[in-house]
Amino acid sequence: AQRVTQPEKLLSVFKGAPVELKCNYSYSGSPELFWYVQYSRQRLQLLLRHISRESIKGFTADLNKGETSFHLKKPFAQEEDSAMYYCALSSYTGNQFYFGTGTSLTVIP
Amino acid sequence: DAGVTQSPTHLIKTRGQQVTLRCSPKSGHDTVSWYQQALGQGPQFIFQYYEEEERQRGNFPDRFSGHQFPNYSSELNVNALLLGDSALYLCASSLTSGQLYGYTFGSGTRLTVV
Repeated sequence: AQRVTQPEKLLSVFKGAPVELKCNYSYSGSPELFWYVQYSRQRLQLLLRHISRESIKGFTADLNKGETSFHLKKPFAQEEDSAMYYCALSSYTGNQFYFGTGTSLTVIP
Repeated sequence: DAGVTQSPTHLIKTRGQQVTLRCSPKSGHDTVSWYQQALGQGPQFIFQYYEEEERQRGNFPDRFSGHQFPNYSSELNVNALLLGDSALYLCASSLTSGQLYGYTFGSGTRLTVV
């Protein structure tokens, strides 16, 4: 069964410290993975896609098929990074996304 | 471009009633997906509409139905409301499959069933 697991509901780091938000998945096939972010009082928005291998706002994520993980990383956290982060997996057809339960990141000044 | 717009923003209904939620996709997008997000949970897929037909459905009962219009806008209907239907309902649009570019989400409709 398809599943996305984000083991940390809450994560706090100090400004300037590295941050890693964990995401593990189970999927019988070749997954496409995404990270979505929701800032306070804003709508859910796409942060980055595995397929494009891009870096957005200093965040990167590497797909590790052996460990079935897609952890989100940033070397130096900023206060504006405080938000809710969701890892999501796309079905083979792309018609359905499976979301994790989210991790609330707080960056302490 | 206003992006994805949803109406209404908030709604209170009584158990057993029926509700209709509306969504206008982002300009240029032809596919609309609906998600339910309960408190403290991630969004759960309800169904997706493309070319005015339901293309895929998640694990939701038949009480949940939808429609897509020729202008790509969409409605989500929920019949015989239960207390457990209280949630944030998100509409997301994409260009055909969302696999390559992901979704653009609306702000959601907060449904409270009392």
